[in-house]
Amino acid sequence: KAGVTQTPRYLIKTRGQQVTLSCSPISGHRSVSWYQQTPGQGLQFLFEYFSETQRNKGNFPGRFSGRQFSNSRSEMNVSTLELGDSALYLCASSLGLAGGTYNEQFFGPGTRLTVL
Amino acid sequence: ELKVEQNPLFLSMQEEKNYTIYCNYSTTSDRLYWYRQDPGKSLESLFVLLSNGAVKQEGRLMASLDTKARLSTLHITAAVHDLSATYFCAVANFGNEKLTFGTGTRLTIIP
Repeated sequence: KAGVTQTPRYLIKTRGQQVTLSCSPISGHRSVSWYQQTPGQGLQFLFEYFSETQRNKGNFPGRFSGRQFSNSRSEMNVSTLELGDSALYLCASSLGLAGGTYNEQFFGPGTRLTVL
Repeated sequence: ELKVEQNPLFLSMQEEKNYTIYCNYSTTSDRLYWYRQDPGKSLESLFVLLSNGAVKQEGRLMASLDTKARLSTLHITAAVHDLSATYFCAVANFGNEKLTFGTGTRLTIIP
């Protein structure tokens, strides 16, 4: 079956602009998580959505937001871009089942965002 | 706050040699993952370890978990060039999809 897809794959923006990234999970997966990867901070968790609700959130400013649609596709938005937002943004999908269940996460190819 | 440390950060090794990457985490966690990342690419899942003493092997890679010591190791046997990549460990708890990643180990295999 098709893997996790992310669009666009590459994006160049200028400071102050906003950006929206999209993630389509594997069919049947209801959980989508987002991560930011930078050389300085490594891989950091942004947030997780399950059934259209944010279920967990990392330590990022309010400029970073997300949402999930009824088909489980997710978008993340970054407003008022800063140079430090340049990063590889990865999303991961899983079944997201709770209650002591292990849910394997599958990562998408990422969106490379460059802020000038 | 959960912290995950990996060492070494960089590892340059010759082909056919053996080496081990270490992953320490600060608080009790339910599962530990190992991922591989090639330059500019996404994360490829290698192993998930769920219980104390768990050992998994795939080809020249073997991962183990000691939950009492909060330590996982990724052992590379008789390294070959195509194992050159960055390796990450990550920990999580059941019922929580959030992964906390280690710093990564950049492995370079020299012919």
